[in-house]
Amino acid sequence: EAGVAQSPRYKIIEKRQSVAFWCNPISGHATLYWYQQILGQGPKLLIQFQNNGVVDDSQLPKDRFSAERLKGVDSTLKIQPAKLEDSAVYLCASSTPLAAQETQYFGPGTRLLVL
Amino acid sequence: KQEVTQIPAALSVPEGENLVLNCSFTDSAIYNLQWFRQDPGKGLTSLLLIQSSQREQTSGRLNASLDKSSGRSTLYIAASQPGDSATYLCAVMNTGNQFYFGTGTSLTVIP
Repeated sequence: EAGVAQSPRYKIIEKRQSVAFWCNPISGHATLYWYQQILGQGPKLLIQFQNNGVVDDSQLPKDRFSAERLKGVDSTLKIQPAKLEDSAVYLCASSTPLAAQETQYFGPGTRLLVL
Repeated sequence: KQEVTQIPAALSVPEGENLVLNCSFTDSAIYNLQWFRQDPGKGLTSLLLIQSSQREQTSGRLNASLDKSSGRSTLYIAASQPGDSATYLCAVMNTGNQFYFGTGTSLTVIP
């Protein structure tokens, strides 16, 4: 079974630029999550999708962050404009509602550095 | 809001020692608690998942316990090996299937 795929793996941009990250979850997983992990901290949930609907985006800085999940499969997370404090690893995870209380499967993450 | 704390933040032990990592959470209304391992530059790998109705789970040299009423969990690693060196994260799942993560314990096992 293929895992969660993310791209790019690394991205370096200057502040005020825009950036987008892509995630392809495990086939059949209806729930998709985006997390932000700042160095030295645990992952923080940014947004949770169930199919292509948003379940929770309470911690998403909506003035600069946006996310979508068209057709309930792949998802993109965008930052526009980026700030220095957005430097972090952005992790995507997926899970299946058939085991809604089971584990989430994580991708390798995208490491973002904002200069 | 759920808050998850892990102690210690970093731990260094000689190979072969047994060790315990601690996790505490503020809201006992959880569905499950999970321990993850994170290697540098990589994503998270699930180690053990304990349902709220369970007290412990074991996998090989790893044993995780859960005391939901007191908001605590421990991860016990027996006979540590250099390959166990990584960051260990504790996460609790709430009623909305959302994870709240601790800040992690960075473990170094010295050969």
